[in-house]
Amino acid sequence: DTEVTQTPKHLVMGMTNKKSLKCEQHMGHRAMYWYKQKAKKPPELMFVYSYEKLSINESVPSRFSPECPNSSLLNLHLHALQPEDSALYLCASSQGGLPTGELFFGEGSRLTVL
Amino acid sequence: DAKTTQPTSMDCAEGRAANLPCNHSTISGNEYVYWYRQIHSQGPQYIIHGLKNNETNEMASLIITEDRKSSTLILPHATLRDTAVYYCIVRESGYSTLTFGKGTMLLVSP
Repeated sequence: DTEVTQTPKHLVMGMTNKKSLKCEQHMGHRAMYWYKQKAKKPPELMFVYSYEKLSINESVPSRFSPECPNSSLLNLHLHALQPEDSALYLCASSQGGLPTGELFFGEGSRLTVL
Repeated sequence: DAKTTQPTSMDCAEGRAANLPCNHSTISGNEYVYWYRQIHSQGPQYIIHGLKNNETNEMASLIITEDRKSSTLILPHATLRDTAVYYCIVRESGYSTLTFGKGTMLLVSP
């Protein structure tokens, strides 16, 4: 199994809603990532988890709250988002616990904030 | 990470070789050259990486100049499914995140 699975594929939410994006991998990878990608732009790193601990936060606003409940799962909790947060959110994982080597990406969750 | 420069877009005829250039003139000795691609509405996909020597796998070949200041990704027989944005990234071998630049939009036409 070389897949990173993200759910939901599409999400529409209001600015007062609370929602979550989920990511799962069963490759035994110990580093997991969240990237954000706006239309026609390259992906931008948001968070890195190494061995289930947050190791990098790229100054992401607190309305985005990551969580790594175990080595296979990564969540991104969303609260009080703004319309400009509408984007494709990509999850990735890599072998070992360090952000190095090949990254495996999911298909992404496309978020629309109304 | 060192910065890279890639053409904004390129065209290639189906069945022909696609040669995608990348300049990385400030690359340091411990930095690898990575290539990823992103097909529309999909997540990025790893293609290949190298340090000094040329590399080949089932997807592509990577040619790195002797001074390591530039490289070329070669798709030997491009197909319509190779239409994508191709990202050239230089990155340290150790603890180093993957930072995407603007990439090259490759359009493969019949």
